[in-house]
Amino acid sequence: EVQLVESGGGLGQPGGSLRLSCAASGFIFSTSEMNWVRQTPEKGLEWVAYINRGGDNIYYADSVKGRFTISRDNAKNSLYLQMNSLRAEDTAIYYCATGTNYFDSWGQGTLVTVSS
Amino acid sequence: SYELTQPPSVSVSPGQTASLTCSGDKLGDKFVCWYHQRPGQSPVLLIYQDQKRPSGIPTRFSGSNSGDTATLTISETQALDEGVYYCQTWDSATDVVFGGGTKVTVL
Repeated sequence: EVQLVESGGGLGQPGGSLRLSCAASGFIFSTSEMNWVRQTPEKGLEWVAYINRGGDNIYYADSVKGRFTISRDNAKNSLYLQMNSLRAEDTAIYYCATGTNYFDSWGQGTLVTVSS
Repeated sequence: SYELTQPPSVSVSPGQTASLTCSGDKLGDKFVCWYHQRPGQSPVLLIYQDQKRPSGIPTRFSGSNSGDTATLTISETQALDEGVYYCQTWDSATDVVFGGGTKVTVL
């Protein structure tokens, strides 16, 4: 059974940083494309970032480009999202999800709140 | 930017058929997928590539896509089908785009 467990959410300061992690199990992580998707009541679901199997092909939503960095460690079956220069509008539940172009499996999400 | 439009809410009686729409410019030229999200839970993929079902998804769920509208059909609707349904598409120009979601109530 595919399991994705996010962690690292919490309260972040405007202009500050947070690092999210996603621990994967139940499937061959190293052969799976991965994504971060976020959700707010106001804006709904928003794709944030994509990384391919080898980590050498990466895409970002315009809203986070230049501030967020997606990465992965296939040896540790883990996905990461480094979030810098945080803004209030980054407040959301962040999900890691498998897939390319659509998302087969999702984690339970981790809540990020950006506030002073 | 590309937009997908979904009606905010739909009500359906148990055992009846619900048709959920998702509209976008020339949407039929793109692939569409659908997700179901229950309160407090993560989204679950129901349909991908317009009409394909992942393993474990009941045949009661079916999809179509033509012109400017994609449709998710839920047959023999059950109480456990309540929740919010999201459509989603992608292409090289738009990246990934989600619809705003339709809340389904089974009365």
